[in-house]
Amino acid sequence: DAGVIQSPRHEVTEMGQEVTLRCKPISGHNSLFWYRQTMMRGLELLIYFNNNVPIDDSGMPEDRFSAKMPNASFSTLKIQPSEPRDSAVYFCASTPSTSGGSYEQYFGPGTRLTVT
Amino acid sequence: GNSVTQMEGPVTLSEEAFLTINCTYTATGYPSLFWYVQYPGEGLQLLLKATKADDKGSNKGFEATYRKETTSFHLEKGSVQVSDSAVYFCALSETGGFKTIFGAGTRLFVKA
Repeated sequence: DAGVIQSPRHEVTEMGQEVTLRCKPISGHNSLFWYRQTMMRGLELLIYFNNNVPIDDSGMPEDRFSAKMPNASFSTLKIQPSEPRDSAVYFCASTPSTSGGSYEQYFGPGTRLTVT
Repeated sequence: GNSVTQMEGPVTLSEEAFLTINCTYTATGYPSLFWYVQYPGEGLQLLLKATKADDKGSNKGFEATYRKETTSFHLEKGSVQVSDSAVYFCALSETGGFKTIFGAGTRLFVKA
């Protein structure tokens, strides 16, 4: 299996621009998670989906952030407009529907976002 | 609510030293417990897991035992290598749920 795929791997953009991050989960996985990682705040859960439906978006920092999962094989995280404080590494992770009762997560390689 | 607390880093050891990274948790029910590892420039990957009390998870020489009486899941390795340098995250999976709660991570440096 190819694992969780994220694109782009690196993104540099100017403040005020729209940024779209993309994720393809592992085939057959029913849950998808978006995380943000920074030195100051560590790993933060932004939002997660189960069967393409958003379950908990309480970690989304503000209205500038939005996420969609139009089908089981694709999700996007959009930031509009972007700000320098959004600079971070964004990870996507997916979880199989059953894994012996324990829900281990499979992480993608991340997208390093720099907003100047 | 559920939470995970792990020792602050960085932890710096010489090659072949013994490693312990402490992890304690607060949870209702019977969560599953995990250790994830993150190498530089990569995403987190599962290192080991335990799904019930007294279970021992092990992988690549690392091991951790699910201690319900002390609500702990400490990570140990008898002899670390330079290649073990990474950030280690303790985590729990909520009972009946899909969400995983991660600790803050502990950075390990191993010197040759």
